[in-house]
Amino acid sequence: SQTIHQWPATLVQPVGSPLSLECTVEGTSNPNLYWYRQAAGRGLQLLFYSVGIGQISSEVPQNLSASRPQDRQFILSSKKLLLSDSGFYLCAWSVNPGELFFGEGSRLTVL
Amino acid sequence: QKEVEQDPGPLSVPEGAIVSLNCTYSNSAFQYFMWYRQYSRKGPELLMYTYSSGNKEDGRFTAQVDKSSKYISLFIRDSQPSDSATYLCAVYNFNKFYFGSGTKLNVKP
Repeated sequence: SQTIHQWPATLVQPVGSPLSLECTVEGTSNPNLYWYRQAAGRGLQLLFYSVGIGQISSEVPQNLSASRPQDRQFILSSKKLLLSDSGFYLCAWSVNPGELFFGEGSRLTVL
Repeated sequence: QKEVEQDPGPLSVPEGAIVSLNCTYSNSAFQYFMWYRQYSRKGPELLMYTYSSGNKEDGRFTAQVDKSSKYISLFIRDSQPSDSATYLCAVYNFNKFYFGSGTKLNVKP
């Protein structure tokens, strides 16, 4: 069966510090991969998606970036965090239209 | 215009009630429609998806799509306290999934 792992689960970072969130998927090949952000009490905002290794589509211009160094690995990064980057970050994968599966999320607080 | 709009709630019902959750979407080209359940501080869980129009049933849950009015609904029969969560609707188009803002449901024992 397929599983998705996302880490770290929780982190508190100072403004201006770097960020790296990682996500790996097991049990499937060539999935589409996604990063979403959910602000407190709000819906899911699509940040990046990838349909293959090295292929990244950005949905929202901001100080975040994403990379896909391997087929089932997706990384979200920032060189300098802003207060507004605080939120709940979710990695997800899909191989079929209509089916998107999420990880457990990473809760980021920027102070 | 947002791709999908959702009644924000919150919605509070007694145990055993029938719950109706609703969304509207903007693009008539959307063909896949999804419902997710999200418990506090957890990732969303896919409940069910429908393709094109019509109904789909899974246990106590029924998803309904009306393409003529661009309206999607989720019905929960015999609601339970364990159904208390935030419910998100979503649509799919060209590799992208768009989500509503979620409706928070509280089922009171």
